Amino acid sequence: DAMVIQNPRYQVTQFGKPVTLSCSQTLNHNVMYWYQQKSSQAPKLLFHYYDKDFNNEADTPDNFQSRRPNTSFCFLDIRSPGLGDAAMYLCATSSLAYNEQFFGPGTRLTVL
Amino acid sequence: AQSVTQLDSQVPVFEEAPVELRCNYSSSVSVYLFWYVQYPNQGLQLLLKYLSGSTLVKGINGFEAEFNKSQTSFHLRKPSVHISDTAEYFCAVSAIQGAQKLVFGQGTRLTINP
Repeated sequence: DAMVIQNPRYQVTQFGKPVTLSCSQTLNHNVMYWYQQKSSQAPKLLFHYYDKDFNNEADTPDNFQSRRPNTSFCFLDIRSPGLGDAAMYLCATSSLAYNEQFFGPGTRLTVL
Repeated sequence: AQSVTQLDSQVPVFEEAPVELRCNYSSSVSVYLFWYVQYPNQGLQLLLKYLSGSTLVKGINGFEAEFNKSQTSFHLRKPSVHISDTAEYFCAVSAIQGAQKLVFGQGTRLTINP
């Protein structure tokens, strides 16, 4: 089945230790998104890629970076995680032809 | 810019009773409207979407929603709920033009009691 895959599902890191979250898709969609969802809150868009074009939201902290080496993969890098970065991170994809986003299962990040 | 308001943060309902989850939005441009469901420790699953055409939209799991342009609302309904419908429900909008960035409401926690 075509899908959006996120690895790992659960990630524990230490305060200040860089961490990378992974997203892959078999849908061949040209747009990929990263959302941050803190406990009991709505998902908040961090950035998105339209093909290789990177688009940062204005209020996304500099601590968050992203890479998209090819159509299928997209990575979220947190350079120096703080306690406030503990959250569920959701990856989504879309194709302009479908007018909807397809979400992965998320990675829950814990910062100790 | 767009904004979404979900009027109820929590809705408790008895099993087999009807339910309505309310959503209002604000936008200076035309938008698409969506309802997503999120089960614990899971991603978001699309329930239904309104793009154009008939204002009554039917989705998965017996849910439906009605788009009301004059009231800028997109309320979600189900005539008879099940225990398995217990989840968080998010209303969202995206501008028709551009990169389809979703703006979400704060969510409504639907709890089904036996």
